[in-house]
Amino acid sequence: DVVLTQSPLSLPVTLGEPASISCRSSQSLLNTNGYNYVDWFLQKPGQSPQLLVYLGSSRASGVPDRFSGSGAGTDFTLKISRVEAEDIGVYFCMQALRTPYSFGQGTKLEF
Amino acid sequence: QVQLQESGPGLVKPSETLSLNCSVSGYSIGSGYHWAWFRQPPGKGLEWIGTMYYVGTTYYSPSLKSRVTISKDTSKNQFSLNLASVAAADTAVYYCSRGQPTGGFQRWGPGTPVTVSS
Repeated sequence: DVVLTQSPLSLPVTLGEPASISCRSSQSLLNTNGYNYVDWFLQKPGQSPQLLVYLGSSRASGVPDRFSGSGAGTDFTLKISRVEAEDIGVYFCMQALRTPYSFGQGTKLEF
Repeated sequence: QVQLQESGPGLVKPSETLSLNCSVSGYSIGSGYHWAWFRQPPGKGLEWIGTMYYVGTTYYSPSLKSRVTISKDTSKNQFSLNLASVAAADTAVYYCSRGQPTGGFQRWGPGTPVTVSS
């Protein structure tokens, strides 16, 4: 099975400052079609996950452009250019290349 | 706007079968996309249970494969999860979701909590 390791697990942030989360995979997530099958989600307390980025770097519909995804193969990063108050929650990466799909442990963004 | 809504019993006895439905509005489940179930035990991370393509092909997590069935009822525009022989470890919030063939599970239901207890 593919294991995803996120770091850090807790990320203190400051409003208006950038933030970055890493997701490393135990196997390459690059498909033969050239896409990396990594998604990023934000889960706020008591809510279902909301998709931020899919296929490694494609921003989901309605997601602010301060969120960006990058990386390839086994190393991926989610960046927030300027943290806003509404960005607080737990961020998960997920791989959807090989079943069983798997998630990182989660990174808690907090002030 | 596509919306998903999970429904089912909030309490299931050990060894019984958990049955949940996901009602979809705003899109016909037989027309496209992938339809999936996830779960999240209290205070823990997310776990993928399985996915059903709109044509009916299913893929399950190997750890649950012997106990899980995902099916659809296009006349009701809903898809279902059956998890047999449940135990306390199956206590979780269960989510249904729609996945895009091009990647990403963008639409999610609000989730329904299920407790396994006698």
